[in-house]
Amino acid sequence: QSVLTQPPSVSAAPGQKVTISCSGSSSNIGNNYVSWYQQLPGTAPKLLIYDDNKRPSGIPDRISGSKSGTSATLGITGLQTGDEADYYCGAWDSSLSAVVFGGGTKLTVL
Amino acid sequence: QVQLQESGPGLVKPSETLSLTCTVSGGSISGSSYFWGWIRQPPGKGLEWIGNIYYSGSTNYNPSLKSRVTISVDTSKNQFSLNLSSVTAADTAVYYCARPAISGYYSAFEHWGQGTLVTVSS
Repeated sequence: QSVLTQPPSVSAAPGQKVTISCSGSSSNIGNNYVSWYQQLPGTAPKLLIYDDNKRPSGIPDRISGSKSGTSATLGITGLQTGDEADYYCGAWDSSLSAVVFGGGTKLTVL
Repeated sequence: QVQLQESGPGLVKPSETLSLTCTVSGGSISGSSYFWGWIRQPPGKGLEWIGNIYYSGSTNYNPSLKSRVTISVDTSKNQFSLNLSSVTAADTAVYYCARPAISGYYSAFEHWGQGTLVTVSS
């Protein structure tokens, strides 16, 4: 059971927008920054968002992050088949003194 | 651009110690203000943080693994290492080493090794 809760799967059509939620508590999302990762099959995770809503160099602006209270959301617009992957949220948990991840969400582009 | 590469045995026997090393290139561990981390992923499952180390040797460990984990750093070789003792089949996973995007951060891992599969089996 993961500390951060994500939906197991989401789907949307090419060109559409999708959002992936990540729910936590005051000890993690509520008081610490959230990051988001994309993992394509057989590859290492790739950082998409850090500090709730900042994109590393090279990440397109159709990728966005937001946070409200103890929940965070990853948004992807203009969906492409290449976006099919597993997505993970992560954060520092002040009570556990540990980095925690969500269980992952599989995105299917129909 | 910093690059990380894991190395170590791909097969470990139950009850023995899993030992992996991460070699860093394109940047120096010593004198930087970055934490260096280990994360694992069992086959078909999600990510699990194992722990972090600072160049000075200061560490943070996942409470669920703390009794079995040791992370160390060798600045002369620009490497950091993971030891996980008393392994069982549940420790079978792809093990990644990684570095956060921002100095002083514990998470937001931007730079990752390719990962190495470690299987625990007799």
